[in-house]
Amino acid sequence: AQSVTQPDIHITVSEGASLELRCNYSYGATPYLFWYVQSPGQGLQLLLKYFSGDTLVQGIKGFEAEFKRSQSSFNLRKPSVHWSDAAEYFCAVGAFYGGSQGNLIFGKGTKLSVKP
Amino acid sequence: ETGVTQTPRHLVMGMTNKKSLKCEQHLGHNAMYWYKQSAKKPLELMFVYSLEERVENNSVPSRFSPECPNSSHLFLHLHTLQPEDSALYLCASSQDETYGNIQYFGAGTRLSVL
Repeated sequence: AQSVTQPDIHITVSEGASLELRCNYSYGATPYLFWYVQSPGQGLQLLLKYFSGDTLVQGIKGFEAEFKRSQSSFNLRKPSVHWSDAAEYFCAVGAFYGGSQGNLIFGKGTKLSVKP
Repeated sequence: ETGVTQTPRHLVMGMTNKKSLKCEQHLGHNAMYWYKQSAKKPLELMFVYSLEERVENNSVPSRFSPECPNSSHLFLHLHTLQPEDSALYLCASSQDETYGNIQYFGAGTRLSVL
């Protein structure tokens, strides 16, 4: 069965420091992978996605993620964190549920706090 | 402006009440979804609709009843809920329900069941 693991529940970084949020997935074929961000009181906003091709994908707000098939990972990175990046981050894998139909399996999320 | 609007944003109801959550998407999409987001748990898919037909129901209790009158509107009718149903309910839409489609989310309805 498909699954997504985000091993870090809560991470705190200083403003201006680099960031890496970890995501590991379990899926039999080449997955479709997503990172979403949720600010307090808001819904989920798509940061970036990987479908195929270049394993380093660029997203909005200066985020990037790298797909590593050998490690079943899709870690999210940002070189310099801003206070406005404080939010909860969700990794998701696209999964089939029948025929060509599919849906998203989400991890439990990583809450990011940013110190001044 | 996400293109997916949910109302109300907050709802408090007793266990014997009947209420409805509303979702409207302005993106021209054909698929709509209901998710439940509880503390310390992953998002749980509840229902999927494609072209107003339900295509997936993840064993949700019958006290939750979805309705999709057209491809732009989705409702979640609630009755005789339990306190453990308190959560953030998120609506999403996508172009269709095929594998790999990007889902766009609303801001959610925060539901408290007393």
